[in-house]
Amino acid sequence: AQSVTQPDIHITVSEGASLELRCNYSYGATPYLFWYVQSPGQGLQLLLKYFSGDTLVQGIKGFEAEFKRSQSSFNLRKPSVHWSDAAEYFCAVGAGQLTFGSGTQLTVLP
Amino acid sequence: NAGVTQTPKFQVLKTGQSMTLQCAQDMNHNSMYWYRQDPGMGLRLIYYSASEGTTDKGEVPNGYNVSRLNKREFSLRLESAAPSQTSVYFCASSRTGGVYNEQFFGPGTRLTVL
Repeated sequence: AQSVTQPDIHITVSEGASLELRCNYSYGATPYLFWYVQSPGQGLQLLLKYFSGDTLVQGIKGFEAEFKRSQSSFNLRKPSVHWSDAAEYFCAVGAGQLTFGSGTQLTVLP
Repeated sequence: NAGVTQTPKFQVLKTGQSMTLQCAQDMNHNSMYWYRQDPGMGLRLIYYSASEGTTDKGEVPNGYNVSRLNKREFSLRLESAAPSQTSVYFCASSRTGGVYNEQFFGPGTRLTVL
């Protein structure tokens, strides 16, 4: 069975600081991996996705993620966080049905 | 191009009442999904429809039914609402699975069952 773990429930960073959100997955084959962002009261928006090829993928809003098969991880990074990045972030895995992690809430301090 | 739309945005029900949540997409996607979101639990799949004319159970189907009315529309019905069904419900669609499995989400329906 596929599963996703996001070990950090809540992360606080200062504006301009770097960010890394962790995601570990369990999947029986080559994983299809996604990061979504949810602003308060909104639906989910896709930030980036990994299917195959280059293990460093670029997404929207300056985000990137690196797929590490040996660590079963797909961590999300951003070099310099903006106040507008405050939101909840979800990692997901799946080729048909998606399994989502429980999310990481990001707070950005001015 | 509205993407995925959901109605209603908010709903309050009493225990035992029934209601249908509506979802429509205008992206000509084959697959559609219903999720519920509860604090600290991420999104959990209730039902999905891989293609028009098919529906399958997800992780938490008990207490729900679905209808894939046509390629555009996928409704979720609560026959006898319970307080445990208080949640935010999201509909999503995707072109299909595999490399086309990017799912597009609607804005959600916030349901409270008293």
